[in-house]
Amino acid sequence: ELKVEQNPLFLSMQEGKNYTIYCNYSTTSDRLYWYRQDPGKSLESLFVLLSNGAVKQEGRLMASLDTKARLSTLHITAAVHDLSATYFCAVDTMNYGGSQGNLIFGKGTKLSVKP
Amino acid sequence: SQTIHQWPATLVQPVGSPLSLECTVEGTSNPNLYWYRQAAGRGLQLLFYSVGIGQISSEVPQNLSASRPQDRQFILSSKKLLLSDSGFYLCAWSRQAPYGYTFGSGTRLTVV
Repeated sequence: ELKVEQNPLFLSMQEGKNYTIYCNYSTTSDRLYWYRQDPGKSLESLFVLLSNGAVKQEGRLMASLDTKARLSTLHITAAVHDLSATYFCAVDTMNYGGSQGNLIFGKGTKLSVKP
Repeated sequence: SQTIHQWPATLVQPVGSPLSLECTVEGTSNPNLYWYRQAAGRGLQLLFYSVGIGQISSEVPQNLSASRPQDRQFILSSKKLLLSDSGFYLCAWSRQAPYGYTFGSGTRLTVV
């Protein structure tokens, strides 16, 4: 059974600080996704990581994937209040070249950025 | 471009009443379709997924069922709701290729 563990589950940061959210998963997968969820809202796709060593950056967020270590990280640089949200990582059970799979989610990291 | 529609946005239903949530996708054909549920303050749990018309896979035993009567339509149903069915229901679609999963806007269901 594929398990996805995120930590920390709660993160309170000051504006301007840096921090990293970790996502470990228990079985082989070469596809991992990061989503953002604002309170009461749906999931917004942030990053799609499709291969070992993939690194993607958007603004103050940078995500990476190490499939050998079964680890993805979401790094926050110089946090601002607008980044306050819950962040989920999700591992795709679909194998490369396959046609059927689904997402297994971590429990989410609730980020609060304070002035 | 592809879009996913989900309705209603909010629903309050009494225990024992039926349920029907609908999800449609536009701008693509033969998508993989999914229903997820997010209980209050918790992560997301896959309920059902479908790779084609009439093909439904269930991930967990429960009080709910799903149907796919048309290629781009996915329906979540229940004959009799339980209090434990309350939650935020999200429909999603993906292509049969590694292009990610896109979620609908969600339905917040409260069973009273």
